[in-house]
Amino acid sequence: DIQLTQSPSSMSASLGDRVSLTCQSSQGIGNYLSWYQHKPGKPPKPMIYYATNLADGVPSRFSGSRSGSDYSLTISSLESEDTAIYYCLQYDEYPLTFGSGTKLEIK
Amino acid sequence: EVQLVESGGGLVQPGSPLKLSCAASGFTFSSNWLNWIRQAPGKGLEWVASINPDGSSTYYPDTVKGRFVVSKDNAKNTGYLQMNNLRSEDTAMYYCARADYFDYWGQGVMVTVSS
Repeated sequence: DIQLTQSPSSMSASLGDRVSLTCQSSQGIGNYLSWYQHKPGKPPKPMIYYATNLADGVPSRFSGSRSGSDYSLTISSLESEDTAIYYCLQYDEYPLTFGSGTKLEIK
Repeated sequence: EVQLVESGGGLVQPGSPLKLSCAASGFTFSSNWLNWIRQAPGKGLEWVASINPDGSSTYYPDTVKGRFVVSKDNAKNTGYLQMNNLRSEDTAMYYCARADYFDYWGQGVMVTVSS
């Protein structure tokens, strides 16, 4: 099975900071990686698909990138509403697997 | 507007069956993959099942293989997750989601397995 390792597991940053979350794949998955924002009491919200594509309605301060087997979700200027847990998902092969999540908080 | 609405959750005893439904609207259901994902209390997201657009192929992780069955009725625009021999570790919020990268999600339905 493909393992996705997210780092850090948690972090806090200040409003306006540039924040990068990382997801490392144990095997090659091409660009078949997506990112989700999950807030309590709500379903996960798609943020990025195919590693770099912004999902509908997602603010342009979010972006996705890839370097080899390392994938990143970057927020260019952190806002208070960005507090959430962020998960990556690989959908290159079954079983589909999620990373363990990064909890992002505001200082 | 794309909508997915889950139903059928509840409290059941270990070993019992339960069937979840996912009613879809606002898109061509017959042309889309349907997936089920769950989140146990205090845990992360776990993929549970996937079915291809015409229902001819299904996929499961080892944790539910042989116990869960995913299906879809394209005439009714509804997907299903039949869960058999439920265990306490199946207690979770269950979501259905569309397409290969889960572009739309339902609000979720809670399943509690406890005696």
